[in-house]
Amino acid sequence: GAVVSQHPSRVICKSGTSVKIECRSLDFQATTMFWYRQFPKQSLMLMATSNEGSKATYEQGVEKDKFLINHASLTLSTLTVTSAHPEDSSFYICSARGGWGTNEKLFFGSGTQLSVL
Amino acid sequence: GENVEQHPSTLSVQEGDSAVIKCTYSDSASNYFPWYKQELGKRPQLIIDIRSNVGEKKDQRIAVTLNKTAKHFSLHITETQPEDSAVYFCAAPPSRGGTSYGKLTFGQGTILTVHP
Repeated sequence: GAVVSQHPSRVICKSGTSVKIECRSLDFQATTMFWYRQFPKQSLMLMATSNEGSKATYEQGVEKDKFLINHASLTLSTLTVTSAHPEDSSFYICSARGGWGTNEKLFFGSGTQLSVL
Repeated sequence: GENVEQHPSTLSVQEGDSAVIKCTYSDSASNYFPWYKQELGKRPQLIIDIRSNVGEKKDQRIAVTLNKTAKHFSLHITETQPEDSAVYFCAAPPSRGGTSYGKLTFGQGTILTVHP
């Protein structure tokens, strides 16, 4: 299956700082990637759709100025949590639709556990 | 948008027993239904999926059934093993754009515990 790599796996930062999370498709090109957030013991909630070469599409209630998404190439999307606060602490996970032969299947990165002190 | 409801929220079975998790969806135009398994702190792993043109799909101990009329689909795990213990999520795409967008709405999740 398609491989999606995500870094870092865990980050601890001080309140007010910014954190960048990278998501790479390793063996296929992903024109579209998705960013999800997952709180403990809860489901995955879609935050935004990252489109290569264009602006991201954010879900209702997600602040685009706080969660900056950049999708500069066909294999890399980044999510920057700006001015992070303790309430932003969560498990962030990216995903991408697989390439040829996998069509609709969605593959996930390994996730980033963000802890804001 | 799509609304996906998943039940039960927790499920406890003895090793060797079967486990069934059910999901309902709201949009009759949805045409792709995957199931994911997520272990603590790890990524969701696709374990099986089904398209709307078939009613059942099986892969070894795992099967998924789909009832388009009733708009529900179920995950069946037979001969459960302790390593099946995890959180299972169902999902469905929004009808707008269907699966081509890759967007998924996830169910609330089911914590499955298989006791040895």
